[in-house]
Amino acid sequence: DAKTTQPPSMDCAEGRAANLPCNHSTISGNEYVYWYRQIHSQGPQYIIHGLKNNETNEMASLIITEDRKSSTLILPHATLRDTAVYYCIVRSSGAGSYQLTFGKGTKLSVIP
Amino acid sequence: DAGITQSPRYKITETGRQVTLMCHQTWSHSYMFWYRQDLGHGLRLIYYSAAADITDKGEVPDGYVVSRSKTENFPLTLESATRSQTSVYFCASRGGIYNEQFFGPGTRLTVL
Repeated sequence: DAKTTQPPSMDCAEGRAANLPCNHSTISGNEYVYWYRQIHSQGPQYIIHGLKNNETNEMASLIITEDRKSSTLILPHATLRDTAVYYCIVRSSGAGSYQLTFGKGTKLSVIP
Repeated sequence: DAGITQSPRYKITETGRQVTLMCHQTWSHSYMFWYRQDLGHGLRLIYYSAAADITDKGEVPDGYVVSRSKTENFPLTLESATRSQTSVYFCASRGGIYNEQFFGPGTRLTVL
């Protein structure tokens, strides 16, 4: 699976959009981009994933560049409860693919 | 209750003792996983299981034993605990419409 690069930390004002970048320049054609987050002391939680089209769900939006070498997770109206470590993970879509490789992620602090 | 649970949530033991961490899921997901999380390392895969009676090593399997006699349970055993196994342990199962991983609340293990 391709490696990802994320900034170690970011701040965001409460109520504003949080834009979390991720670089995955070695991503291959059958690899998806997944985002998980981990709120302090809890298990990681799935947020969203995508292949090449932009995706949106009730939690967030995922914007993937046309060349698929980077992506941005957008939390449209950040709240204090969104303070967490956010992990960008690239994973193959193959039938036998199972593993998530967690890097160090981005620690997002939402400021009141 | 539906979901994935772990027990105990906290455990203190001594070097050389055997410890078993329990994981139970109610979804009948085929895949289950054990991760450990240490400061500076993120989450690392210890073992995984594709189905009952099928298990395989992950990134850091040494010192651990797993079994899976029933689909819903995936216990992790430290046969002779060492201080380096002090960590937070997360169990996960894979399923849902996006094949995402669902994580348990974690077990904080301290080996004295």
